[in-house]
Amino acid sequence: DGGITQSPKYLFRKEGQNVTLSCEQNLNHDAMYWYRQDPGQGLRLIYYSQIVNDFQKGDIAEGYSVSREKKESFPLTVTSAQKNPTAFYLCASSPMRLAGSYNEQFFGPGTRLTVL
Amino acid sequence: AQTVTQSQPEMSVQEAETVTLSCTYDTSESDYYLFWYKQPPSRQMILVIRQEAYKQQNATENRFSVNFQKAAKSFSLKISDSQLGDAAMYFCAYLTSGTYKYIFGTGTRLKVLA
Repeated sequence: DGGITQSPKYLFRKEGQNVTLSCEQNLNHDAMYWYRQDPGQGLRLIYYSQIVNDFQKGDIAEGYSVSREKKESFPLTVTSAQKNPTAFYLCASSPMRLAGSYNEQFFGPGTRLTVL
Repeated sequence: AQTVTQSQPEMSVQEAETVTLSCTYDTSESDYYLFWYKQPPSRQMILVIRQEAYKQQNATENRFSVNFQKAAKSFSLKISDSQLGDAAMYFCAYLTSGTYKYIFGTGTRLKVLA
């Protein structure tokens, strides 16, 4: 089945350690995204990528890094510089912008990161 | 910059009744898309309904419909015959045509009372 996978579902790390969250899609979508979700704040964009080997900062990129070496994969690294990393992280993808297309995003199941 | 506002943090509706969730947005663009997403307790985001700004006709999907008022920059979601499975967080989202950056509101938590 086509979709987006994120692993693991729950992740625990000690303070000061970098951690990488996985996101893989087999929808052949060009664009991929990372969002952070905190209670009462909706979805905040961390990074997004329109094509392989290119990505743009979102609204809250500080303390995070990404790579896009393959179309299917867009891993997110939460570095020790991120001051409050405990949150729910959502990965999404969307197809190339086409006239008349619906342009909706498809989401993965999310990863809950807890930093102890 | 574009913004999306959902002014109702929480709403309640009796089962089988109708409820309307509000969403307003701010943009200077004329061509854009609007979406409503549902996030149930599983936290899997699901598209509920979408609307292209150039279409005057309001979108409908079974029990879900929107009231799109372009001049007022309003995009409300109406859920008819509410069911227990409709209980979730609902997010309104905006996308300027030709771009990739989606803007989300802060969400409305909908409770459905039996």
